[in-house]
Amino acid sequence: GAVVSQHPSRVICKSGTSVKIECRSLDFQATTMFWYRQFPKQSLMLMATSNEGSKATYEQGVEKDKFLINHASLTLSTLTVTSAHPEDSSFYICSASTELAEAFFGQGTRLTVV
Amino acid sequence: KNQVEQSPQSLIILEGKNCTLQCNYTVSPFSNLRWYKQDTGRGPVSLTIMTFSENTKSNGRYTATLDADTKQSSLHITASQLSDSASYICVVSEEMYAGGTSYGKLTFGQGTILTVHP
Repeated sequence: GAVVSQHPSRVICKSGTSVKIECRSLDFQATTMFWYRQFPKQSLMLMATSNEGSKATYEQGVEKDKFLINHASLTLSTLTVTSAHPEDSSFYICSASTELAEAFFGQGTRLTVV
Repeated sequence: KNQVEQSPQSLIILEGKNCTLQCNYTVSPFSNLRWYKQDTGRGPVSLTIMTFSENTKSNGRYTATLDADTKQSSLHITASQLSDSASYICVVSEEMYAGGTSYGKLTFGQGTILTVHP
């Protein structure tokens, strides 16, 4: 099956710094990529949807200036958490969608802000 | 509002036993329904995907059913193994269009946490 690679798998950063998470589709071109956030024992919460070459569409309540999404190519999307704070600590997961609307998930990134 | 509800919230079974997880949804327009397995600290992995016209699909010891009329789905796990311990998530997709391409907007259930004991 298709592979989506997410990097890094874990990151610890100081409060106030920015962190970039990469999501790559390794063997297919992803027309659409999604970014999710997951709290412990809860389901995935969609943060934003991005189509290659256009601005991301953010879900209600998600600050676009805090969670910067760039989908510059058909195989790479990045999520930058700017000026991170402890409450941003969470598990972030990306997924990439093919033209057949099948979705494949990355391995996730555990962000801890100290 | 599109919703996906799963039951039970958690389930504990003994190794070798069978179990069935339930999923009810109100997503419209419906495109497909997927079951994912998510191990702790990992991304979800697809088990099955069913469209409107499919009412059953198997993947090894996993068998999913879909009743599009009642908007219900189930995931049956046969002869459970310790490695089946995970969260099982029902996800319903509605087809969306943006910029000339289609993609599935996913609505996630809360998941069922399955624990298999030896």
